[in-house]
Amino acid sequence: DTAVSQTPKYLVTQMGNDKSIKCEQNLGHDTMYWYKQDSKKFLKIMFSYNNKELIINETVPNRFSPKSPDKAHLNLHINSLELGDSAVYFCASSQGLTHTKTQYFGPGTRLLVL
Amino acid sequence: DQQVKQNSPSLSVQEGRISILNCDYTNSMFDYFLWYKKYPAEGPTFLISISSIKDKNEDGRFTVFLNKSAKHLSLHIVPSQPGDSAVYFCAASAGGTSYGKLTFGQGTILTVHP
Repeated sequence: DTAVSQTPKYLVTQMGNDKSIKCEQNLGHDTMYWYKQDSKKFLKIMFSYNNKELIINETVPNRFSPKSPDKAHLNLHINSLELGDSAVYFCASSQGLTHTKTQYFGPGTRLLVL
Repeated sequence: DQQVKQNSPSLSVQEGRISILNCDYTNSMFDYFLWYKKYPAEGPTFLISISSIKDKNEDGRFTVFLNKSAKHLSLHIVPSQPGDSAVYFCAASAGGTSYGKLTFGQGTILTVHP
Protein backbone atom coordinates (compact mmCIF):
# COMPACT_ATOMS: atom_id res chain seq x y z
CA ASP A 1 0.00 0.00 0.00
CA THR A 2 1.80 3.12 -1.27
CA ALA A 3 2.19 5.83 1.36
CA VAL A 4 2.86 8.77 -0.99
CA SER A 5 1.85 8.31 -4.61
CA GLN A 6 2.28 10.55 -7.64
CA THR A 7 0.69 10.50 -11.07
CA PRO A 8 1.87 10.39 -13.70
CA LYS A 9 5.25 8.77 -13.23
CA TYR A 10 6.49 10.06 -16.59
CA LEU A 11 5.36 13.10 -18.52
CA VAL A 12 6.67 14.14 -21.95
CA THR A 13 5.20 17.30 -23.40
CA GLN A 14 5.85 20.21 -25.71
CA MET A 15 6.99 23.69 -24.71
CA GLY A 16 4.09 26.00 -24.04
CA ASN A 17 1.71 23.28 -22.86
CA ASP A 18 -0.02 23.22 -19.47
CA LYS A 19 0.25 20.09 -17.34
CA SER A 20 -0.65 18.86 -13.88
CA ILE A 21 0.99 16.41 -11.50
CA LYS A 22 -1.03 14.83 -8.72
CA CYS A 23 0.09 13.70 -5.29
CA GLU A 24 -1.78 11.74 -2.66
CA GLN A 25 -0.69 10.48 0.74
CA ASN A 26 -2.47 7.92 2.90
CA LEU A 27 -0.35 8.46 6.02
CA GLY A 28 -2.82 10.85 7.64
CA HIS A 29 -0.27 13.65 7.53
CA ASP A 30 -1.26 17.31 7.56
CA THR A 31 1.73 18.78 5.72
CA MET A 32 2.74 18.21 2.11
CA TYR A 33 5.62 19.44 -0.03
CA TRP A 34 6.80 19.70 -3.61
CA TYR A 35 10.51 19.36 -4.38
CA LYS A 36 12.28 19.67 -7.72
CA GLN A 37 15.40 17.67 -8.58
CA ASP A 38 17.21 19.45 -11.35
CA SER A 39 19.85 18.21 -13.80
CA LYS A 40 22.57 18.75 -11.20
CA LYS A 41 20.69 16.35 -8.91
CA PHE A 42 19.97 18.87 -6.16
CA LEU A 43 16.59 18.44 -4.51
CA LYS A 44 15.10 21.86 -3.86
CA ILE A 45 11.90 22.70 -2.09
CA MET A 46 9.24 24.53 -4.07
CA PHE A 47 6.15 24.62 -1.88
CA SER A 48 4.71 23.31 1.32
CA TYR A 49 1.13 23.19 2.55
CA ASN A 50 -0.14 22.61 6.05
CA ASN A 51 -3.83 21.78 6.46
CA LYS A 52 -4.44 23.06 2.93
CA GLU A 53 -2.75 26.38 3.68
CA LEU A 54 0.33 27.53 1.74
CA ILE A 55 3.31 27.79 4.09
CA ILE A 56 6.43 27.83 1.90
CA ASN A 57 6.65 29.35 -1.56
CA GLU A 58 10.30 29.22 -2.48
CA THR A 59 10.56 31.91 -5.20
CA VAL A 60 9.07 29.62 -7.78
CA PRO A 61 7.82 31.21 -11.04
CA ASN A 62 4.11 31.88 -10.85
CA ARG A 63 3.62 29.53 -13.81
CA PHE A 64 3.68 26.91 -11.06
CA SER A 65 0.49 26.79 -9.02
CA PRO A 66 0.02 24.24 -6.26
CA LYS A 67 -3.46 23.29 -5.12
CA SER A 68 -4.42 21.36 -2.02
CA PRO A 69 -8.07 20.26 -2.19
CA ASP A 70 -7.70 18.44 1.14
CA LYS A 71 -4.97 17.39 3.54
CA ALA A 72 -4.28 14.17 1.65
CA HIS A 73 -3.72 15.76 -1.75
CA LEU A 74 -1.34 18.33 -3.17
CA ASN A 75 -1.38 18.87 -6.90
CA LEU A 76 1.01 20.90 -9.01
CA HIS A 77 -0.17 22.70 -12.12
CA ILE A 78 2.39 24.15 -14.51
CA ASN A 79 1.42 26.67 -17.18
CA SER A 80 3.34 27.48 -20.34
CA LEU A 81 5.96 24.81 -19.84
CA GLU A 82 9.57 25.74 -20.63
CA LEU A 83 12.59 23.59 -21.43
CA GLY A 84 14.08 24.42 -18.03
CA ASP A 85 11.10 22.84 -16.30
CA SER A 86 12.42 19.43 -17.28
CA ALA A 87 13.24 17.73 -13.99
CA VAL A 88 12.05 15.15 -11.53
CA TYR A 89 9.34 16.45 -9.20
CA PHE A 90 8.92 14.80 -5.81
CA CYS A 91 6.01 15.13 -3.49
CA ALA A 92 6.52 14.55 0.24
CA SER A 93 4.46 14.62 3.41
CA SER A 94 5.02 14.91 7.14
CA GLN A 95 2.98 15.19 10.29
CA GLY A 96 3.27 18.77 11.46
CA LEU A 97 5.44 21.71 10.47
CA THR A 98 8.17 21.16 13.03
CA HIS A 99 11.46 20.87 11.22
CA THR A 100 12.34 17.64 13.00
CA LYS A 101 9.41 15.75 11.53
CA THR A 102 10.41 13.08 9.03
CA GLN A 103 9.32 13.73 5.47
CA TYR A 104 8.14 10.79 3.38
CA PHE A 105 8.66 11.06 -0.35
CA GLY A 106 6.72 9.83 -3.33
CA PRO A 107 8.41 8.02 -6.25
CA GLY A 108 8.76 11.16 -8.36
CA THR A 109 7.36 12.41 -11.67
CA ARG A 110 9.86 12.66 -14.49
CA LEU A 111 8.92 15.64 -16.65
CA LEU A 112 10.54 16.16 -20.02
CA VAL A 113 9.71 19.30 -21.97
CA LEU A 114 10.60 19.18 -25.67
CA ASP B 1 24.83 29.24 -3.05
CA GLN B 2 24.83 25.61 -1.93
CA GLN B 3 24.44 25.50 1.81
CA VAL B 4 24.79 21.73 1.98
CA LYS B 5 27.55 20.03 0.02
CA GLN B 6 28.52 16.47 -0.58
CA ASN B 7 31.88 16.74 -2.25
CA SER B 8 32.26 13.08 -3.20
CA PRO B 9 30.00 12.24 -6.15
CA SER B 10 30.65 8.54 -5.69
CA LEU B 11 32.12 5.96 -3.34
CA SER B 12 32.95 2.33 -3.97
CA VAL B 13 33.51 -0.17 -1.14
CA GLN B 14 33.80 -3.89 -0.67
CA GLU B 15 31.03 -5.83 1.02
CA GLY B 16 31.65 -6.11 4.75
CA ARG B 17 33.84 -3.02 4.93
CA ILE B 18 32.92 0.39 6.28
CA SER B 19 31.34 3.06 4.07
CA ILE B 20 31.86 6.67 5.12
CA LEU B 21 29.83 9.36 3.41
CA ASN B 22 30.59 12.99 4.13
CA CYS B 23 28.59 16.20 4.14
CA ASP B 24 29.49 19.84 4.85
CA TYR B 25 27.17 22.74 5.54
CA THR B 26 27.63 26.48 5.76
CA ASN B 27 24.46 27.77 7.42
CA SER B 28 24.98 27.97 11.19
CA MET B 29 21.19 28.13 11.68
CA PHE B 30 20.85 24.46 10.72
CA ASP B 31 20.17 22.43 13.82
CA TYR B 32 18.78 19.18 12.48
CA PHE B 33 20.41 16.89 9.96
CA LEU B 34 19.16 13.88 8.07
CA TRP B 35 20.36 11.24 5.66
CA TYR B 36 18.11 9.92 2.96
CA LYS B 37 18.74 6.96 0.71
CA LYS B 38 17.48 6.78 -2.85
CA TYR B 39 17.22 3.88 -5.27
CA PRO B 40 16.79 4.52 -9.02
CA ALA B 41 13.25 5.49 -10.05
CA GLU B 42 12.16 5.76 -6.41
CA GLY B 43 11.79 8.64 -4.00
CA PRO B 44 14.25 9.30 -1.17
CA THR B 45 13.63 7.28 1.97
CA PHE B 46 14.59 8.48 5.43
CA LEU B 47 17.55 6.70 6.94
CA ILE B 48 18.75 8.44 10.09
CA SER B 49 18.84 11.89 11.66
CA ILE B 50 20.70 13.84 14.30
CA SER B 51 19.94 16.94 16.31
CA SER B 52 22.63 19.55 16.85
CA ILE B 53 22.56 18.86 20.60
CA LYS B 54 24.14 15.47 19.90
CA ASP B 55 27.34 14.49 18.20
CA LYS B 56 26.42 10.90 17.40
CA ASN B 57 23.32 8.88 16.62
CA GLU B 58 23.27 5.18 15.92
CA ASP B 59 20.67 2.92 14.36
CA GLY B 60 21.79 -0.62 13.64
CA ARG B 61 24.49 -0.57 10.99
CA PHE B 62 24.11 3.19 10.46
CA THR B 63 25.78 5.87 12.56
CA VAL B 64 25.74 9.59 11.93
CA PHE B 65 28.42 11.82 13.42
CA LEU B 66 28.09 15.59 13.73
CA ASN B 67 30.98 18.00 14.19
CA LYS B 68 29.35 21.39 14.72
CA SER B 69 32.55 23.38 14.93
CA ALA B 70 33.64 22.03 11.54
CA LYS B 71 30.09 22.16 10.15
CA HIS B 72 30.55 18.60 9.03
CA LEU B 73 28.60 15.40 9.33
CA SER B 74 29.28 11.89 8.20
CA LEU B 75 27.33 8.68 7.79
CA HIS B 76 29.05 5.41 8.63
CA ILE B 77 27.66 2.11 7.39
CA VAL B 78 29.16 -0.97 9.02
CA PRO B 79 29.26 -3.58 7.62
CA SER B 80 28.36 -2.47 4.11
CA GLN B 81 26.06 -4.73 2.11
CA PRO B 82 25.34 -4.85 -1.64
CA GLY B 83 21.76 -3.75 -0.90
CA ASP B 84 23.18 -0.50 0.47
CA SER B 85 24.14 0.51 -3.08
CA ALA B 86 22.12 3.67 -3.69
CA VAL B 87 22.39 7.46 -3.77
CA TYR B 88 22.72 8.99 -0.31
CA PHE B 89 21.52 12.53 0.31
CA CYS B 90 22.47 14.65 3.25
CA ALA B 91 19.83 17.21 4.29
CA ALA B 92 19.61 19.96 6.89
CA SER B 93 16.88 22.06 8.42
CA ALA B 94 16.58 25.00 10.78
CA GLY B 95 13.97 25.77 13.37
CA GLY B 96 11.93 28.93 13.57
CA THR B 97 10.21 30.00 10.39
CA SER B 98 11.80 27.39 8.13
CA TYR B 99 8.65 25.30 8.62
CA GLY B 100 10.19 21.98 7.73
CA LYS B 101 12.16 23.19 4.73
CA LEU B 102 14.91 20.67 3.96
CA THR B 103 18.08 21.77 2.19
CA PHE B 104 19.71 18.86 0.39
CA GLY B 105 23.20 18.11 -0.82
CA GLN B 106 23.69 16.78 -4.33
CA GLY B 107 24.07 13.19 -3.25
CA THR B 108 26.79 10.54 -3.20
CA ILE B 109 26.44 7.34 -5.20
CA LEU B 110 27.49 4.40 -3.03
CA THR B 111 28.39 1.13 -4.72
CA VAL B 112 29.01 -1.90 -2.53
CA HIS B 113 30.74 -4.73 -4.37
CA PRO B 114 30.11 -8.36 -3.34
